[in-house]
Amino acid sequence: ETGVTQTPRHLVMGMTNKKSLKCEQHLGHNAMYWYKQSAKKPLELMFVYSLEERVENNSVPSRFSPECPNSSHLFLHLHTLQPEDSALYLCASSQFLITNEKLFFGSGTQLSVL
Amino acid sequence: GESVGLHLPTLSVQEGDNSIINCAYSNSASDYFIWYKQESGKGPQFIIDIRSNMDKRQGQRVTVLLNKTVKHLSLQIAATQPGDSAVYFCAENTGGFKTIFGAGTRLFVKA
Repeated sequence: ETGVTQTPRHLVMGMTNKKSLKCEQHLGHNAMYWYKQSAKKPLELMFVYSLEERVENNSVPSRFSPECPNSSHLFLHLHTLQPEDSALYLCASSQFLITNEKLFFGSGTQLSVL
Repeated sequence: GESVGLHLPTLSVQEGDNSIINCAYSNSASDYFIWYKQESGKGPQFIIDIRSNMDKRQGQRVTVLLNKTVKHLSLQIAATQPGDSAVYFCAENTGGFKTIFGAGTRLFVKA
């Protein structure tokens, strides 16, 4: 167990569905991240939160909506997704939102959009 | 632009041999480099890091080498074991909180 837990592990949804991904970190970290991992592509940073405040929205389409109710929990709300959004969505945390911080990742949610 | 790339997409080594995974980066301003290991069904896990004021850093069975002159990073794994089979990512940090990941190298360990 890495200390970062993601649910569900697998999700299949239609293009008209609304679903949410959940992430919880048990490390006492102050920063949390959403990354997208597609086949044969580098990890792409989507969103960054520091102490529940969003500090980065990396040109992500509005059909992805993050929520950070407290420093331990992070959600990614999904609606009207496209098939090209199928990917592994990884949550990560770091102790602080500063440079030279290593990331602690969850196991990810494998998302398939039909 | 900024980019972190890997020279080889796959690497196959015999169990017990040493493995060397290479990485090139393009941003000379990068000052912190990290290697992550991703096993099947899991997220990336931190292996070792190095700051730009160092050339070499050793961990348990792993060594990271940094050559700033040619902007090259490598990960050496000693006495490679079947449990080392995974995808390895190099990553760089240019200051701030953004970490840029490379495409990854898949390491196969033959018994």
